[in-house]
Amino acid sequence: DTEVTQTPKHLVMGMTNKKSLKCEQHMGHRAMYWYKQKAKKPPELMFVYSYEKLSINESVPSRFSPECPNSSLLNLHLHALQPEDSALYLCASSQEAGKDIQYFGAGTRLSVL
Amino acid sequence: EDQVTQSPEALRLQEGESSSLNCSYTVSGLRGLFWYRQDPGKGPEFLFTLYSAGEEKEKERLKATLTKKESFLHITAPKPEDSATYLCAVRRNNAGNMLTFGGGTRLMVKP
Repeated sequence: DTEVTQTPKHLVMGMTNKKSLKCEQHMGHRAMYWYKQKAKKPPELMFVYSYEKLSINESVPSRFSPECPNSSLLNLHLHALQPEDSALYLCASSQEAGKDIQYFGAGTRLSVL
Repeated sequence: EDQVTQSPEALRLQEGESSSLNCSYTVSGLRGLFWYRQDPGKGPEFLFTLYSAGEEKEKERLKATLTKKESFLHITAPKPEDSATYLCAVRRNNAGNMLTFGGGTRLMVKP
């Protein structure tokens, strides 16, 4: 089983709202990732967590705040987003950071009004 | 800086018409080249990993090959359900698990 589950599938929010995206995996993977993907573009890495610690932050604005409560869960907290933040947000996991295959979830389609 | 270029950007095939997708890369110390398939509005689905020049992997109608400068994804006798975007990504030494993706090839297979 290589399943990464993301919720919600779709999210619409205003620029003053606070919302969270959730990602869960039960494969025992110790590295988890957040990517942002705009239409007809490849995924862009945002954050990497390794053993529940933030190891890579690709200069992402502070209105995006990641959290890794335990080895199976990854959250992305959203606050004061802009319309240009509308995109497909993808979560991925791998056995360890720096190794092995990244398995992706189905994504959350975010629209910021 | 790592660079990954995929060609063509879009490819239309008739069902049964075999073809190849190209992924050219420039990376210092390749530590894996990955092929993914992505359907519209979905996350990328892992297909293959290649680690060294000369390596080949197959899965159903797909075959991936790797040289020192590029990788090919060969599609033999494609079916309409093979229509998707195919993404190539590279990982290099000393880069954690950062993947550098190419722009993708959108494949459309008509019946």
